[in-house]
Amino acid sequence: NAGVTQTPKFRVLKTGQSMTLLCAQDMNHEYMYWYRQDPGMGLRLIHYSVGEGTTAKGEVPDGYNVSRLKKQNFLLGLESAAPSQTSVYFCASKNNGLNTEAFFGQGTRLTVV
Amino acid sequence: AQSVTQPDIHITVSEGASLELRCNYSYGATPYLFWYVQSPGQGLQLLLKYFSGDTLVQGIKGFEAEFKRSQSSFNLRKPSVHWSDAAEYFCAVGARGGSYIPTFGRGTSLIVHP
Repeated sequence: NAGVTQTPKFRVLKTGQSMTLLCAQDMNHEYMYWYRQDPGMGLRLIHYSVGEGTTAKGEVPDGYNVSRLKKQNFLLGLESAAPSQTSVYFCASKNNGLNTEAFFGQGTRLTVV
Repeated sequence: AQSVTQPDIHITVSEGASLELRCNYSYGATPYLFWYVQSPGQGLQLLLKYFSGDTLVQGIKGFEAEFKRSQSSFNLRKPSVHWSDAAEYFCAVGARGGSYIPTFGRGTSLIVHP
């Protein structure tokens, strides 16, 4: 059981380049989330989805877009990368039961130069 | 809006000593509460969770946490720390009902001296 899988694990981009981070979960979870982790800032929510075909903005959505075309996948896109987007990105998923927790992927370390 | 405060950025303890990591939350009702641990270069692993019932919850790796409604706290404890416990610890709060969105504290880095 793979759980939550993020690809790629590492990436270096030049300013202005675009890329897509893929999150895949095999637990049939309804909710999926993208967070970024920066030193001293904890995890901040970028976007989230409460089901296939739905997305919503989180705390720090600017510069990012997301799509949830399939229930198991949640894509995070950077259209024009900036150095401020250098971070570690985590995807998480959760089912829609009341007493359940979020499961996290291993993270994607992105550096924008 | 819900929020989480972890007042300690770093905590240093000696191996074998007891540990308490502080977490205070802000939420209008009884929240869901979680502690996660992150080892270097890894994702977040759930240590324990509180949803309802007994306010003292047991988790993995010998950790426990106590929900205190009057203090809006959910402190993490361990009676005897091992060197392998050195990691980043995150407290999180989740709202009941609606679109469940976990909100995380800024984390506490645990350093363990031999």
